[in-house]
Amino acid sequence: NAGVTQTPKFQVLKTGQSMTLQCAQDMNHNSMYWYRQDPGMGLRLIYYSASEGTTDKGEVPNGYNVSRLNKREFSLRLESAAPSQTSVYFCASRGTYGSPLHFGNGTRLTVT
Amino acid sequence: EDQVTQSPEALRLQEGESSSLNCSYTVSGLRGLFWYRQDPGKGPEFLFTLYSAGEEKEKERLKATLTKKESFLHITAPKPEDSATYLCAVTGDDKIIFGKGTRLHILP
Repeated sequence: NAGVTQTPKFQVLKTGQSMTLQCAQDMNHNSMYWYRQDPGMGLRLIYYSASEGTTDKGEVPNGYNVSRLNKREFSLRLESAAPSQTSVYFCASRGTYGSPLHFGNGTRLTVT
Repeated sequence: EDQVTQSPEALRLQEGESSSLNCSYTVSGLRGLFWYRQDPGKGPEFLFTLYSAGEEKEKERLKATLTKKESFLHITAPKPEDSATYLCAVTGDDKIIFGKGTRLHILP
């Protein structure tokens, strides 16, 4: 049982480059989330998808776009990377309303 | 606006020295309060869910409690392997908002 799988695990980008972070879950969960984690800032919500076909902004959406490709997959895109987007990105999912999140192991992104 | 504040930011304890971590929250219509453990280089690992004031949950040396304004994570006779960052989160709707965490270090 893989749970939540994120790819890639590590990535280095130059300023202005674009990339897509991939996330897939095999738990048949309805809701999926993208967070970033920075030292001293905790986990901050970027975007979420409460159900297939819907997406909404979180606390820090600027500079990102998302796609809920199907029930299993939720991708995060950086169109023009900036050094301020250097962070660890976590994808998570949950089933029913009020249930806890299940996290992937993160993507460590460095923008130079 | 939903908000979660955790204290202290960091805590160093001797092995066997019990203590408590605090999570204060503001949320419109609490649907759940969650505690997670996070080890370096890993994603957060779920520990407990609390839904209503007065509720308590236990797992090994950890016990979580909930009031209308805050939650406590009590650690009894901790061991070095309990060293980690402990995260608190709340949900009132589709969003889940996290605190900044408490870094716990247990000295042998």
